[in-house]
Amino acid sequence: GIQVEQSPPDLILQEGANSTLRCNFSDSVNNLQWFHQNPWGQLINLFYIPSGTKQNGRLSATTVATERYSLLYISSSQTTDSGVYFCAVEWSYNTDKLIFGTGTRLQVFP
Amino acid sequence: EPEVTQTPSHQVTQMGQEVILRCVPISNHLYFYWYRQILGQKVEFLVSFYNNEISEKSEIFDDQFSVERPDGSNFTLKIRSTKLEDSAMYFCASTQDRDNEQFFGPGTRLTVL
Repeated sequence: GIQVEQSPPDLILQEGANSTLRCNFSDSVNNLQWFHQNPWGQLINLFYIPSGTKQNGRLSATTVATERYSLLYISSSQTTDSGVYFCAVEWSYNTDKLIFGTGTRLQVFP
Repeated sequence: EPEVTQTPSHQVTQMGQEVILRCVPISNHLYFYWYRQILGQKVEFLVSFYNNEISEKSEIFDDQFSVERPDGSNFTLKIRSTKLEDSAMYFCASTQDRDNEQFFGPGTRLTVL
């Protein structure tokens, strides 16, 4: 099956700093999504981005499907950005389930 | 904005008891999913459901699990005889078309004692 790896596993930032989270996947995908899991455990949809670049406020994401990676950029981080960020992909071969990466745990300090 | 809802938000049960987790997907969505997340681990796929039948299930989804769409709005996950290792956060998701963005509910935290 497809492998999904995220890096770094942990990230500690001061408020105001920028960061880049990476998601590598081992095969072609039909769907790629980024999620933020908040301290209450809820999964918040950030981006649906099987290819290309999208921006939403301080967050942006880029997926280069041909090179099998996606990046999530967080600019001017705030304490409310803390939590775990998951990348999830839908493998192209006869499935529509999402395969999640192991996540990046982000802690933003004031 | 339409959203997926789940009830209850937290359920505590004794080992061996049956539990039913409920979800109301977004109204015009046709594909439905259950995922689970054991504390501190990644989210894992359990089952997908389309056109009133299971389209795919994982190894986790054994005979103790079942899903149902009893009416036009609800989607349920039943665990017949809960085990300690079933303790997890269970997420329901839905999408309008296959390969499109999946929208997740807030989750049900199941604790089996």
